[in-house]
Amino acid sequence: GQNIDQPTEMTATEGAIVQINCTYQTSGFNGLFWYQQHAGEAPTFLSYNVLDGLEEKGRFSSFLSRSKGYSYLLLKELQMKDSASYLCAVLEANQAGTALIFGKGTTLSVSS
Amino acid sequence: DSGVTQTPKHLITATGQRVTLRCSPRSGDLSVYWYQQSLDQGLQFLIQYYNGEERAKGNILERFSAQQFPDLHSELNLSSLELGDSALYFCASSPSTGGYTFGSGTRLTVV
Repeated sequence: GQNIDQPTEMTATEGAIVQINCTYQTSGFNGLFWYQQHAGEAPTFLSYNVLDGLEEKGRFSSFLSRSKGYSYLLLKELQMKDSASYLCAVLEANQAGTALIFGKGTTLSVSS
Repeated sequence: DSGVTQTPKHLITATGQRVTLRCSPRSGDLSVYWYQQSLDQGLQFLIQYYNGEERAKGNILERFSAQQFPDLHSELNLSSLELGDSALYFCASSPSTGGYTFGSGTRLTVV
């Protein structure tokens, strides 16, 4: 089974930095993903961590600590278009196969 | 265009009816996943198929079933529909390992 927790909502202003935290409890951990989803649209891939540490990709970075069951997504130089839901997801492996299990998402509102 | 194609984009139907949602994965991807997203629940994993075989099951109701065909497209069948089944249904595909690519979804409204 799995339990993935992230804040429901966050607000920030343009140009700022925001960190979205995610904690998880799962068996068969096979990696952690972050997705961005605008309302009514498909989730789009942002980042993937399987080893501990920081992965940087332009304005977005993601961190993983497997021993703590913790990840964060860091968004720098925020823009209005970054207003969206950010989904933390754990790739869980078991005897049957693997499945990407999502948290409920964090709705980020960026204001000017 | 993500390469994952879902049809139809919108579907309105009455309670008690049955519908079929269709998904074509990205070229070369063998795995197909179905998810349900309602306003208060987030993305819920329903079922996975790999190269035609069922691989993993999540919170899928007995009224729901799926299959993957030899050409790798997949169909999700929803029967005896209830108001609470109204949601966005997403299909995703992936190669044998790696991240998932999502289709644009089917918005199902049950009235």
